[in-house]
Order: sequence, then structure tokens, then C-alpha cells
Amino acid sequence: AQTVTQSQPEMSVQEAETVTLSCTYDTSESDYYLFWYKQPPSRQMILVIRQEAYKQQNATENRFSVNFQKAAKSFSLKISDSQLGDAAMYFCAYRSPDSNYQLIWGAGTKLIIKP
Amino acid sequence: ETGVTQSPTHLIKTRGQQVTLRCSSQSGHNTVSWYQQALGQGPQFIFQYYREEENGRGNFPPRFSGLQFPNYSSELNVNALELDDSALYLCASSLGGRGHTEAFFGQGTRLTVV
Repeated sequence: AQTVTQSQPEMSVQEAETVTLSCTYDTSESDYYLFWYKQPPSRQMILVIRQEAYKQQNATENRFSVNFQKAAKSFSLKISDSQLGDAAMYFCAYRSPDSNYQLIWGAGTKLIIKP
Repeated sequence: ETGVTQSPTHLIKTRGQQVTLRCSSQSGHNTVSWYQQALGQGPQFIFQYYREEENGRGNFPPRFSGLQFPNYSSELNVNALELDDSALYLCASSLGGRGHTEAFFGQGTRLTVV
């Protein structure tokens, strides 16, 4: 069975600085999807970035980028130029590439932005 | 806004009662997944419906059941509520199939069992 581990319960960063959130996963599959979701106090999960395992290039979305190390089963999220609105819980999630949309989630990292 | 709406937003029930939570999926989406998120934890997959059929289930007892309607909206029913059922229940809609990778979430229903 697949598992997702986020080892940082909480991280803090100064506004405008860069922060990296860690995620490791375990799977025997060679093809899969990885995601980072943001959950602000409003509770709605918002997709930040996704990565297809067959793509070697790391995904980037504006200030958000990932460092995907398939052999090490590592999927970290880098947030550049941190903004107050980035404060939220961040969850790493895994999905197998079949029609069943079951996401397997980590426990989350609370990101605090210091003004 | 994702176009996925859940109702109600908050709910308090007594142990042993039954509850129905509702989810309206995004237009054009035929797949709805339900998740339970206990306080301070990541979500846990309950089950998924694809074109009105359950096509995946997590490690939840049979008292958790669901429905998907022809318009692809969905209900989650929980019978014989227990205190541990207190959680945020999230609904996600997506377009099922191997090539479609993104799910859109509603704002959740906060269920408190007393």
C-alpha cells in the first residue's frame, strides 16, 4: 500500500523569503501523480501544483515549484517570495493513474508567514 | 471558487443518530469522492462514485454509505453516529479517467457528534 509522509508539522518563514516543505512517499508503482494542496482556514482544498511521475522535469507554477526525486521517492515544495496569503496547511498527496480517484494524503505542514 | 458546493457547512448530531451530507459537483464532472478529515490530520478516502456507481472504497465500515444522482451530485450517509465520526467531510469532483488528474474540492461539512 502506498503511504505519504510529511515530517514537518509546522514551518515558519519571513515574508518575501523562500521556504521548502518536505514530502516522501512509498509506492511500488512506476506511474503515478503527486500533488500539493493548500488548505486555508476556509477549509477548501486548493490545488497548488501537480507532478506526473513519468515527467522528469520538475513542475512550476509561478512562485511554487517542486523538487521531484523519483528514485528517492521525495517530492518537496518550494515557495519563493512568500506572501501573507500563503499561510495555510499544506498537504502532499499521491494518486494512482487509474480511474479510481483515491488520493492518499500526508498529515500536513502548517506554514506560518512572519510579516 | 471551484463550483463544488457542500451542505450543510456545520452540523451537530447526537451519538446514534443518522446524518446525510450533500455535495453538488462541478458542471461536467462525473466522479465524486468523499474524504474524512479528523482534526489535525490529512484526509482519509471514504469512497468514490463514478456515473452513479461506487467504484472504490477506503477502510470505512458499511454504516458509511453514499449515492450519486443522474446529475452527478452526491450524498454521504452515516448511520449510528459515533463520537469518532466528528470530522470535516470533504467532497471532491473530477472528470473520471486515466488522463484527468485534478479534483476540485468543496468547502467541507464540519460534523460534530456529541
